[in-house]
Amino acid sequence: EPEVTQTPSHQVTQMGQEVILRCVPISNHLYFYWYRQILGQKVEFLVSFYNNEISEKSEIFDDQFSVERPDGSNFTLKIRSTKLEDSAMYFCASSEVDREDTGELFFGEGSRLTVL
Amino acid sequence: QKEVEQNSGPLSVPEGAIASLNCTYSDRGSQSFFWYRQYSGKSPELIMFIYSNGDKEDGRFTAQLNKASQYVSLLIRDSQPSDSATYLCAVNAGGTSYGKLTFGQGTILTVHP
Repeated sequence: EPEVTQTPSHQVTQMGQEVILRCVPISNHLYFYWYRQILGQKVEFLVSFYNNEISEKSEIFDDQFSVERPDGSNFTLKIRSTKLEDSAMYFCASSEVDREDTGELFFGEGSRLTVL
Repeated sequence: QKEVEQNSGPLSVPEGAIASLNCTYSDRGSQSFFWYRQYSGKSPELIMFIYSNGDKEDGRFTAQLNKASQYVSLLIRDSQPSDSATYLCAVNAGGTSYGKLTFGQGTILTVHP
């Protein structure tokens, strides 16, 4: 069964360092998303991406964050200068369409980021 | 601020019983409603979605939506120990990307043998 894959599964970094989290969405999907979940807290929307541009972003997604689809398969989230509060599980998700009845989100297994 | 509220639990039910999970949302314009299951340390997994008032059944799961009361629920019949997980209610506000969801904090469900 097709799935969304994410790498790395766990990354430990020092505060101030740049981090890139990678995702390979399901191959025929067109809509891509990043969510994060701080330990013990809610899953929070970060950004949606379609047709090689950001379609929507949340207040969390400030100038320290960026997303890119560098080729036909990868979708990346970059955090330029990590802060302690960026420590969280980051989930990539994709969907084939953007419709309420069939636009199911498929989530990857997540990348755990620990900022020291 | 659009809010989705759930009782964090834990909700404990015996095997074979019906588990009832509830969720309220603040944005009256919300159009689509989702129930996800999340095992500890894992990603959310879609169980059901609903966007019309009333009930929607899928196997042992029934989602109920009441837009007038801004309330959505999930019933799990014949609960199994493998149903033990955190259940996340998520809402899409409509007029935005359907993939932009607002999640509740989740209800921890424990099904004991």
